[in-house]
Amino acid sequence: KNEVEQSPQNLTAQEGEFITINCSYSVGISALHWLQQHPGGGIVSLFMLSSGKKKHGRLIATINIQEKHSSLHITASHPRDSAVYICAVSLYQFYFGTGTSLTVIP
Amino acid sequence: GAGVSQSPSNKVTEKGKDVELRCDPISGHTALYWYRQRLGQGLEFLIYFQGNSAPDKSGLPSDRFSAERTGESVSTLTIQRTQQEDSAVYLCASSFGTGGGSLGELFFGEGSRLTVL
Repeated sequence: KNEVEQSPQNLTAQEGEFITINCSYSVGISALHWLQQHPGGGIVSLFMLSSGKKKHGRLIATINIQEKHSSLHITASHPRDSAVYICAVSLYQFYFGTGTSLTVIP
Repeated sequence: GAGVSQSPSNKVTEKGKDVELRCDPISGHTALYWYRQRLGQGLEFLIYFQGNSAPDKSGLPSDRFSAERTGESVSTLTIQRTQQEDSAVYLCASSFGTGGGSLGELFFGEGSRLTVL
């Protein structure tokens, strides 16, 4: 069993839709990370959080430590949001989910 | 440098040859990681360096793979006698790891794409 599970694996949305990607984890953590990987591109860190909620532009990340669950929300989605979104948790080491491939159609 | 730097960005080699991949982490980052990503797959952990501690080599797939790190700077991943299944993007990342298991934000390099013919 993977330490980090993401859902859905694949997601297609129309431009403008509100998008939610979920992440559950089974290990103790010091922080949870959301990463973004564009096709053929590098990986960039979107959020690092250990409690509550963080917002950056149209992206919102929340975490519930008791339920070991995090969500990444994208408001007013745009085709440039098309990418793989990866959830990771860290404590002494990083554990990665397998990613959610998002395609936003114009 | 401003970010994590990896070289070469692309490497094509013949089966059986040795390759060296280099990673320059962000200055001051004590933690350095190597990951492998095969086409369409997730990140596969290879090795982790934290300060002067012994590296965590638990992810290295075989004894053909080895990595070194000079202090808290450059790291080199070496693959000996390359095989076709070694073809992948090799990603290096660094973070400012503190004591007690707390790891900072993770910064990735652009990766080294290895193709073994």
